[in-house]
Amino acid sequence: QVQLQESGPGLVKPSQTLSLICTVSGGSISSGLYYWSWIRQPAGKGLEYIGRMFTSGGTTYNPSLKSRVTISGDASKNQISLNLSSVTAADTAVYYCARGIPGTRSCYFDSWGQGAPVTVSS
Amino acid sequence: DIQMTQSPSTLSASVGDRITITCRASQSIYSWLAWYQQKPGKAPNLLIYKASTLESGVPSRFSGSGSGTEFTLTISSLQPDDFATYYCQQYNNYFPLTFGGGTKVEIK
Repeated sequence: QVQLQESGPGLVKPSQTLSLICTVSGGSISSGLYYWSWIRQPAGKGLEYIGRMFTSGGTTYNPSLKSRVTISGDASKNQISLNLSSVTAADTAVYYCARGIPGTRSCYFDSWGQGAPVTVSS
Repeated sequence: DIQMTQSPSTLSASVGDRITITCRASQSIYSWLAWYQQKPGKAPNLLIYKASTLESGVPSRFSGSGSGTEFTLTISSLQPDDFATYYCQQYNNYFPLTFGGGTKVEIK
């Protein structure tokens, strides 16, 4: 059974870059069957999709975050990374990595990490 | 973007009750809808995909129905473990996929 584990700094200063890593075990990110995604959730609020990476390395991002987001993968370490630049307090949230099951044009998520809380504050 | 509207936002119910949560899409998403359950401090857990297909391991008291723009999640007999927040998610559009605002099911 696949497991996902997020890791990274819990505190980031405004204007800096938020960097998180998702380590995948029990399955390969290179399998070609799944989308590897990031989703976030501000405290007490709903879920916001950030973006996803395909096995080929191609990516798609939420247009609302596209100018600041980079998602990439390291097959040798079986890891997915998220970089979000120029952060503000509005980026404070729990960040989840998730495995996406392809649908017709997008995906739903059958496996999630436990979440990494990130606070943006000076 | 496709907007997903859930109702109600909060639902008070008792153990054993049958409850229904509604999710409406701003345009047709055919059957490309998933439902998740989230408990405090935990990641969401997939319950249903393609509007009505139960994810493996999910109790049969959960069911989903609908197509086009209106969808429902039903719990046939609410159990203590079911008190949580439920989210719908559309995955019809190329981008971005979107979630509903959530429905909190609380103890009456």
